[in-house]
Amino acid sequence: DAGITQSPRHKVTETGTPVTLRCHQTENHRYMYWYRQDPGHGLRLIHYSYGVKDTDKGEVSDGYSVSRSKTEDFLLTLESATSSQTSVYFCAISDETGGSRVPQYFGPGTRLTVL
Amino acid sequence: AQKITQTQPGMFVQEKEAVTLDCTYDTSDQSYGLFWYKQPSSGEMIFLIYQGSYDEQNATEGRYSLNFQKARKSANLVISASQLGDSAMYFCAMRSNNAGNMLTFGGGTRLMVKP
Repeated sequence: DAGITQSPRHKVTETGTPVTLRCHQTENHRYMYWYRQDPGHGLRLIHYSYGVKDTDKGEVSDGYSVSRSKTEDFLLTLESATSSQTSVYFCAISDETGGSRVPQYFGPGTRLTVL
Repeated sequence: AQKITQTQPGMFVQEKEAVTLDCTYDTSDQSYGLFWYKQPSSGEMIFLIYQGSYDEQNATEGRYSLNFQKARKSANLVISASQLGDSAMYFCAMRSNNAGNMLTFGGGTRLMVKP
């Protein structure tokens, strides 16, 4: 199994509060991703990173920001959480040296509830 | 824009029988990859199998095979000899070389294996 951890695994917060989710990898992979999973939508990409301090937006980036100061850590921040951000958040990593053939490997997920 | 469609929200299969999970995709790109992931009730995302758009043979991984029909833009997952542990959500996903490294997911199919 790819060495990916996410913290916290569960969080309940209130509308308007800031929230930061952490993804940590031990595989030294260049690419890291944040997805959210909602019923009926599969997984949708929020942001991704292709190196330290190199990030880009995904399909559903509004209301989220990310930072990557080290290869192993990728942080997802909700500056002011809203109820629509209640979801399960997955981090993923991939080694892009193999090109598009390489799968992304996922962390265990974080279940976030915004009341 | 890329799109993945999984038309079967839920399916039943008898233990030890084979089952096919449907996936159709839409892309204007010539070079792309198709992935299948399994999500058991515990929540993790498990990579199962990959098919490249230029691969001449259908991919196989143990009991999993991919029925790739490029002209019809379909990439159906076939699970042979179903086991109770195969009960899970299954997601089809696509990555196109022209869409960066993003994975686009379908909405998933819930497979239930009956004893």
